[in-house]
This record gives sequence, C-alpha cells and structure tokens, in this order.
Amino acid sequence: AQSVTQLDSQVPVFEEAPVELRCNYSSSVSVYLFWYVQYPNQGLQLLLKYLSGSTLVESINGFEAEFNKSQTSFHLRKPSVHISDTAEYFCAVSVRGSNYKLTFGKGTLLTVNP
Amino acid sequence: NAGVTQTPKFQVLKTGQSMTLQCAQDMNHEYMSWYRQDPGMGLRLIHYSVGAGITDQGEVPNGYNVSRSTTEDFPLRLLSAAPSQTSVYFCASSAGFSNQPQHFGDGTRLSIL
Repeated sequence: AQSVTQLDSQVPVFEEAPVELRCNYSSSVSVYLFWYVQYPNQGLQLLLKYLSGSTLVESINGFEAEFNKSQTSFHLRKPSVHISDTAEYFCAVSVRGSNYKLTFGKGTLLTVNP
Repeated sequence: NAGVTQTPKFQVLKTGQSMTLQCAQDMNHEYMSWYRQDPGMGLRLIHYSVGAGITDQGEVPNGYNVSRSTTEDFPLRLLSAAPSQTSVYFCASSAGFSNQPQHFGDGTRLSIL
C-alpha cells in the first residue's frame, strides 16, 4: 500500500518570502502525484499534478512542484507568497493503472503573515 | 456548473440518532467517494463507488453505510451517531481513472453531542 508523509504540519512565513512544503511518498509501484489546496471553510481544490513527462509541474498561481523519483519526493514551492496563499495544502498519491483511490498526507497549514 | 453538491452544510445530532448526508454531482463521473477530515489526520476514505450499484469500503468504514443507485447521487448514512463521528465530511467525484483529479464538495460539518 502507498503512504504519504508531509513533513511539516505548520509553516509560517512572511509575505513575499519563498516557501517550500515538503512531501514524501512510499509505494512499491508507480504513482501519480497531486497537490490540493483547501482555503478556510471550503473543499479541496486541485493545485497541480504530476502524471508523466517533465518532472517540474506548475500551477497557474505561481506554485511549482518537482517529482524526484530517487528521493520519492514531490515538494511544493513558491518563490514569493501572498497573504491569499494562506491555506492548508495536501499532498496525495494514486496508483498508476489501478484503482481510483487517493491517499492523502495529513496536510500542511501555510500561514502567510504581513 | 454546480460540480459536487453536499447537503446539509451543518448538522448537530444527538448520540444514537441516524441521518443521511447527501452528495450529488452533475459531471457524469463514475467514481465517487466520501472522506472525513479531522484535525491533524488529513482526509481518510470512508467508502467509495466505481459506478452505479458498486460500492466498497475505504480506510474507516465502521458506522457508515452507502449506496449508489444512480451515477449522480452517493448518500452517506450514519446508522447510530457517536461523538467519535464528529467531523467534517467531504464528498468527491472523478472521471474514474487514477490520473484524473477528484472534485470536492464544500463539506458537511457534523457535530454529535
């Protein structure tokens, strides 16, 4: 079975600072990787995904994540955060070609302070 | 475009009561699932369905029932509510392949007294 570890439960940063949210996964088979974002009192929204090809994937709001197969990681980064990026971020994996289930990490609360 | 709609948004129950959380999607998605979200625990899968008439258990199924009579609807039933079921419940749907993202509803916040 696969598992996901998000190494930081909370990450406080100041506005315009860079941020990295760490995600490691464990799986004996190939996986697809996702980052979801949850704003307060809302459901989860897909931020970005890695399916195949280039190991660096980007979102429309400036986040990027890099798939590192040797380190089994999929860390999320943004070079300059805004107050509006305050949210909880979840890393998730699904198994290629198998069932449809997503396995989530426990989440990282990103708080951007002025 | 409604996406995934959950009702109610909030509910308070007494221990032992039963209720049904409703979930409907208008995207013709085959795959639907229910999660519960608790502080520091992430999202845990309760039950899921890969199509009408087909359901299966997830990670934490005890105390919950589901059915899938149509593609659109996937209700979650609490048989006899317990305080441990106090949580935020999310319904999600996807097109049914493991590379497809899941679309989430806004959640139902449930308190069991």
